[in-house]
Formats: sequence, structure tokens, C-alpha cells
Amino acid sequence: SQQGEEDPQALSIQEGENATMNCSYKTSINNLQWYRQNSGRGLVHLILIRSNEREKHSGRLRVTLDTSKKSSSLLITASRAADTASYFCATDAGDDKIIFGKGTRLHILP
Amino acid sequence: EADIYQTPRYLVIGTGKKITLECSQTMGHDKMYWYQQDPGMELHLIHYSYGVNSTEKGDLSSESTVSRIRTEHFPLTLESARPSHTSQYLCASRQTGNNQPQHFGDGTRLSIL
Repeated sequence: SQQGEEDPQALSIQEGENATMNCSYKTSINNLQWYRQNSGRGLVHLILIRSNEREKHSGRLRVTLDTSKKSSSLLITASRAADTASYFCATDAGDDKIIFGKGTRLHILP
Repeated sequence: EADIYQTPRYLVIGTGKKITLECSQTMGHDKMYWYQQDPGMELHLIHYSYGVNSTEKGDLSSESTVSRIRTEHFPLTLESARPSHTSQYLCASRQTGNNQPQHFGDGTRLSIL
């Protein structure tokens, strides 16, 4: 069964606005990862946050993790057309399986 | 940058054929994975490997099989393809150790007629 569930399933925003995606999961984790997938391509790793971390930044990306609520959020600031993609959260429980959510499809409008 | 390659990128083939999807990585990663993904949908883990001569089934039941004779190579085989096998197949690898991300190939889009 899937571990992560992203919300919303789809999101359309104007270029320059911020985009926020949420992920909820069910069991204890070692870390949570966010990936981007452009149409017809494989997934690209964006950022990994460990279970003992609460917030992490990478360029225009900001990830938060709340282990008490079993949830994470990905914020993309100052969105660009090139950010149009599907975004997936993935959980690593330390059992060598990385379990992916259903993804959020982000569309940046010009 | 990740160096993981999948071939072919696209395959259209008739029912009943034997198919092998290739996946190779040049990073020396011990752990490798196969996922099945329908367009725009979630990834389902179908097989993974801890290293040479190790193969495990994932969470999604699959009629495919895998082998891991060399570290860099993790092929997936369908003995007799059916239309229900139509999907995208993604291969990934990652380094041993805690808190390591996965590196993905660009996938094989498979269509069974």
C-alpha cells in the first residue's frame, strides 16, 4: 500500500507565485524525500529531510517535516514555467524500500 | 549527476512475446529498484535488489522477473507479454547507507498490442 499521500492532486498557479504541496504518511520514517518528474522522464531527486530535522532549504525550495503529524510540505518560491512537473514525496523507513505517494501535478501559468 | 540508463525508451510489441528491459548504472550502487508507473500516477515498487545475486519482490504483484548477476546491471524480463503489462517501467539505484536518495533512469514506455 502507498505510504505517502500528496495534496493537492493538481495545482495551477501564475508564474512568480509560490507553490505549496503537502504530503502525509502513515508509519515511522528515517527520512522523507521529494522528487520532480517532467513529462515522459524519470524522477529527479530534489531534497531529503531526515526524521530529526524540521526544515531544510535548497535554492527556491523549502521543505518542512512534522513527525508528530506525519506530514511534510514542499514550498517552491517565485515559480517559473520550468517548474511545471509532477512532484512526489517518498518515505524511507530504513527497510530499503522507498515508497512513493501519488504526486501533485503542478502547472505554472504564464 | 546520476548515470543510470534504460533501454529501450519505447517498445511496442505483440502479445505473447518475451521482453527484457535493460537497466544499467555506472555509479557502483549496490541497491537497485524497478517501479511500474501508469501515466500521471503513482510509482509501484515491483522488484528490488540489495546487491549481486540478491532479488526481492516489491509491494505490487508482478509477472515479471529480475536478475542481478553484475552490480551495474539489473534487467527485468516478461516471459509472455500481455496488454495488462502496458505501462512505464522505471529503474532506480542508490548508494548503500542511511539517508541516500534514489537516482532514476528515464524509463521504458511499454505498449503491448
